[in-house]
Amino acid sequence: QSVLTQPPSVSGALGQRVTISCTGSSSNIGAGFDVHWYQQLPGTAPTLLIYGNGNRPSGVPDRFSGSKSGTSASLAISGLQAEDEADYYCQSYDSDLSGYAVFGGGTQLTVL
Amino acid sequence: QLQLQESGPGLVKSSETLSLTCTVSGVSISSSYYWGWIRQPPGKGLEWIGSMYHSGSTFKNPSLESRVTLSVDTSKNNLSLKLTSVTAEDAAVYYCARHGYGGNYYEAFDIWGQGTMVTVSS
Repeated sequence: QSVLTQPPSVSGALGQRVTISCTGSSSNIGAGFDVHWYQQLPGTAPTLLIYGNGNRPSGVPDRFSGSKSGTSASLAISGLQAEDEADYYCQSYDSDLSGYAVFGGGTQLTVL
Repeated sequence: QLQLQESGPGLVKSSETLSLTCTVSGVSISSSYYWGWIRQPPGKGLEWIGSMYHSGSTFKNPSLESRVTLSVDTSKNNLSLKLTSVTAEDAAVYYCARHGYGGNYYEAFDIWGQGTMVTVSS
């Protein structure tokens, strides 16, 4: 049972836009901690996709965007491409758990 | 180029201690970052194990804290993880990762190692 809740899977057609939600609580996202997103391509290590709720590291296409509101956050991917097929994880921190880093359970994106 | 490389035995016997090392290249481990360990059981999600600053400041997952020891060797520019009394549930890919630029712990894990798979045998 992950502290942050994500849908297990989402899908979208090539060129479409999809969103992945990440729901937390008043002790993590709602407490003001930033949300970060990671992309994990099959058989590889996760890589940072979005940091600080909505910032993209150098090299990440602007098709990827993030937002946060209240106790939830979202990752949006527009103009879906085949290479976007991966697992996506949100991450934050929790004040009830002594600075515990928390992850969502992950969302598998399928590009149709 | 900044790189993190995990290493250690790929097979550990149940009830024994898992020991892993993460070698950092391209930046000093004494620089202003936290260094963390995260694991991923086969087919499952990510679980944070703990993080350490070179000064010794340490944060650990409460569910693992009693079995986890983190250390940093500044002379070898590496960090180590020891997990005692392993069971089948500890079988996972173990990653080391950097976060907390400037000592701000609550930042993203921006650089990850490739991970190392650990299997637990009975």
